[in-house]
Amino acid sequence: NAGVTQTPKFQVLKTGQSMTLQCAQDMNHEYMSWYRQDPGMGLRLIHYSVGAGITDQGEVPNGYNVSRSTTEDFPLRLLSAAPSQTSVYFCASSYLGRDQPQHFGDGTRLSIL
Amino acid sequence: AQSVAQPEDQVNVAEGNPLTVKCTYSVSGNPYLFWYVQYPNRGLQFLLKYITGDNLVKGSYGFEAEFNKSQTSFHLKKPSALVSDSALYFCAVRDTDNYGQNFVFGPGTRLSVLP
Repeated sequence: NAGVTQTPKFQVLKTGQSMTLQCAQDMNHEYMSWYRQDPGMGLRLIHYSVGAGITDQGEVPNGYNVSRSTTEDFPLRLLSAAPSQTSVYFCASSYLGRDQPQHFGDGTRLSIL
Repeated sequence: AQSVAQPEDQVNVAEGNPLTVKCTYSVSGNPYLFWYVQYPNRGLQFLLKYITGDNLVKGSYGFEAEFNKSQTSFHLKKPSALVSDSALYFCAVRDTDNYGQNFVFGPGTRLSVLP
């Protein structure tokens, strides 16, 4: 059972470039989310989805796009990379329900030069 | 809005001694509280949760947490620390808005267990 798989693990971009961070889960979870982790700030929610075709903004959505065409996949798109988007990005998923823990991928480390 | 505070950036404890990692929260309604651990270059791993019932919750790897409603706290504890417990620990509360599914995380506490 692979759980939550994120690709790539590392990426270096130049300012202005675009790219897509991939996230896939094989647990049939309805809920998926993207966070960024920055030192001393914990994890901040970027976008989330409660099912295929349904997405919504989190705390820090600017500069990012998402879509959810299938239950399994939830890609995160950087439209025009900026140095402020240098961070570690985590994807998480869970069943719906407030008592359900989220399962995390191992992250994508992104540097914007 | 919901919020989580972890008042200590760093906690140092000697191996074999008890450890406590502190967490306080602010939430409207009943709190759904979680603890996660993060090892270097890995994602967050679920340790335990409080939903309702007994104020002392037991979780993975010998960890437990004590829920205190009057103090709005949910401190993580372990009776005897191991060097392998050294990691970054996050407390989280379930949001009550926006489908009630999102987490609000604290800033994290780095635990160092010294041999």
